[in-house]
Amino acid sequence: ILNVEQSPQSLHVQEGDSTNFTCSFPSSNFYALHWYRWETAKSPEALFVMTLNGDEKKKGRISATLNTKEGYSYLYIKGSQPEDSATYLCAFDGSGNTGKLIFGQGTTLQVKP
Amino acid sequence: GAVVSQHPSRVICKSGTSVKIECRSLDFQATTMFWYRQFPKQSLMLMATSNEGSKATYEQGVEKDKFLINHASLTLSTLTVTSAHPEDSSFYICSARGAPPGGDTQYFGPGTRLTVL
Repeated sequence: ILNVEQSPQSLHVQEGDSTNFTCSFPSSNFYALHWYRWETAKSPEALFVMTLNGDEKKKGRISATLNTKEGYSYLYIKGSQPEDSATYLCAFDGSGNTGKLIFGQGTTLQVKP
Repeated sequence: GAVVSQHPSRVICKSGTSVKIECRSLDFQATTMFWYRQFPKQSLMLMATSNEGSKATYEQGVEKDKFLINHASLTLSTLTVTSAHPEDSSFYICSARGAPPGGDTQYFGPGTRLTVL
């Protein structure tokens, strides 16, 4: 059984703090690693699709890194804002582009004003 | 761009009835659509993959006769939960992926909360 683990499960930070979370995934048969942001009652929003070892992607104050050899990805948020409060999901694609994603349980971030 | 809608957002039904959930890609053509479900305190679990015009591929442990999937057009897929039972109560969510150069990104609908009494 392929396992995708995210830590921490939840996180409370103050506005302005920078924070990061971890996604661990199998290091074999890697095709892609996806990051999503999911606010309550909304659709999960695609943040990044990462495919290359050592890749780093950035979208505004959010960035992500990828290490496929050791099977982990970090998501960083710089200067957290209350609107960053959401659950952040990572999903592993080891299926060679069939799109079959294996999701972690998510990290729920709460940013206090 | 890349908006996916899902309808209904919430449904309550009696045990033994069938429920249909629609998933639409509003501004792109979805060559592949995926159906996931999420039980409380668990992660999203893939149920099936459907390509337009062909039969869906179900994940191990998902009954294809119980969860009927139709992907008749490039913008619409439906999931029908047949003869629903309380244990089918869950959060069902679809995603859609377009042809290249759209890439590997899956765009998700907002989900459907199914409660079977």
